[in-house]
Amino acid sequence: AQKVTQAQTEISVVEKEDVTLDCVYETRDTTYYLFWYKQPPSGELVFLIRRNSFDEQNEISGRYSWNFQKSTSSFNFTITASQVVDSAVYFCALSEGKTSYDKVIFGPGTSLSVIP
Amino acid sequence: DAGITQSPRYKITETGRQVTLMCHQTWSHSYMFWYRQDLGHGLRLIYYSAAADITDKGEVPDGYVVSRSKTENFPLTLESATRSQTSVYFCASSEDKGGDEQFFGPGTRLTVL
Repeated sequence: AQKVTQAQTEISVVEKEDVTLDCVYETRDTTYYLFWYKQPPSGELVFLIRRNSFDEQNEISGRYSWNFQKSTSSFNFTITASQVVDSAVYFCALSEGKTSYDKVIFGPGTSLSVIP
Repeated sequence: DAGITQSPRYKITETGRQVTLMCHQTWSHSYMFWYRQDLGHGLRLIYYSAAADITDKGEVPDGYVVSRSKTENFPLTLESATRSQTSVYFCASSEDKGGDEQFFGPGTRLTVL
């Protein structure tokens, strides 16, 4: 069965520090998709990234980067030079369905607080 | 207005009543989704739709009905609301092609008394 673990329930960092959010997944499928989402205190959901299991290249988008390692079943998310606006709950998700959003399950989330 | 909207934003209803949550997107995205978010259970996919007239179950479909007669609309109906369906409901849309982003509505907070 598929499973997503985000072991860090809450993280606090001081502004400008780098922070890595861990995501470990379990799946028996060879084809699957991984996601990260952000939920700021205002409550909306924001899609950050989708990665399929055949693409292990690391992704960088501005201050955000993602490290996908199939060998350790991890898809970690790093924020470089954190800012107060990065304070949010971050969810990792896994889908092993026919399409990338089929049968998606979410991790419990990591609450990140960036302190000015 | 361009984007994805949900209505109502807040709804209080009673056990046993039928409730319909509306979702409308202006991009003509093929895929649409309904999620619920609860304390203790996190985010869960209820239903999704790959195109008009094509819908499929997610993780927690029981007690919900969806339809998609038009590409831009994806209503979610609780046929007989229960207290356990008290939640925040998010609608989303996407083209589901490589790299395409998923866009979320603002959410509907539903309370079932």
